[in-house]
Amino acid sequence: LAKTTQPISMDSYEGQEVNITCSHNNIATNDYITWYQQFPSQGPRFIIQGYKTKVTNEVASLFIPADRKSSTLSLPRVSLSDTAVYYCLVGDMVSNFGNEKLTFGTGTRLTIIP
Amino acid sequence: EAGVAQSPRYKIIEKRQSVAFWCNPISGHATLYWYQQILGQGPKLLIQFQNNGVVDDSQLPKDRFSAERLKGVDSTLKIQPAKLEDSAVYLCASSLEQGGNEQFFGPGTRLTVL
Repeated sequence: LAKTTQPISMDSYEGQEVNITCSHNNIATNDYITWYQQFPSQGPRFIIQGYKTKVTNEVASLFIPADRKSSTLSLPRVSLSDTAVYYCLVGDMVSNFGNEKLTFGTGTRLTIIP
Repeated sequence: EAGVAQSPRYKIIEKRQSVAFWCNPISGHATLYWYQQILGQGPKLLIQFQNNGVVDDSQLPKDRFSAERLKGVDSTLKIQPAKLEDSAVYLCASSLEQGGNEQFFGPGTRLTVL
C-alpha cells in the first residue's frame, strides 16, 4: 500500500504560485499519482493525474521526479477561490485490485490570504 | 451533463434508528463508489460497484451497513442501526470504468446521529 504524506496546512497570498508536495516513498511500478481538490460542503473534484515527469492542464501542473517517490502539485497565480483541501492519492490505475488508489489521506488545507 | 445526484442532503436521526441514502450517478458511468467522510478527515471508501456487482466492500461495516445497486444505475446505502460514530458526510462518486478513471463526486449527505 503506497502511503502518502502531505503537509497538513499551507498559507499563501493571492497571485502567488503555490506548490504542494506529496511524499510516496513506496510507490509501485503500476501506481499513478492523482490530486483532488475539495471545497467545504462539496465532494472532491479531480484536478490532475500523472505517472512521471510533468503533466499540465488548464488548472495545474504536476511535477514527478525520476524516482517517483514524491510529486508536487503546482497552482499558478492562486486566488481566494483556491482555498480548499488538496488530496494526493497514489495507487494502481490498471488492475484496481485492492483499494490503494481510493485511499484519501487527511490532505493539505490551503488558505489563500488576500 | 448532469452530475452525481444524492439525497437527502441532510439527515438527523437518533442512535439505533435506520437511515438510507440515495445516489444517481452520471449517465453511462459503470463504476459507483460510496465514501464516508468524518469531519477533518479524508473520504474513506466504503464500497465500490462495477455495474451492479460489488468490486470492493472490505471497509464496509457489514453488521450495520448495506448497499445495493439494482440494475446497475442508482444505488442506496443503508445504516441499521445507526451509532453516534456514524455521524459523517456520505459521498457518492461515479466513474466511466474502474481502474484510474476520474471520479465525479456528488454533494454528499450530511448525517448527524444524536
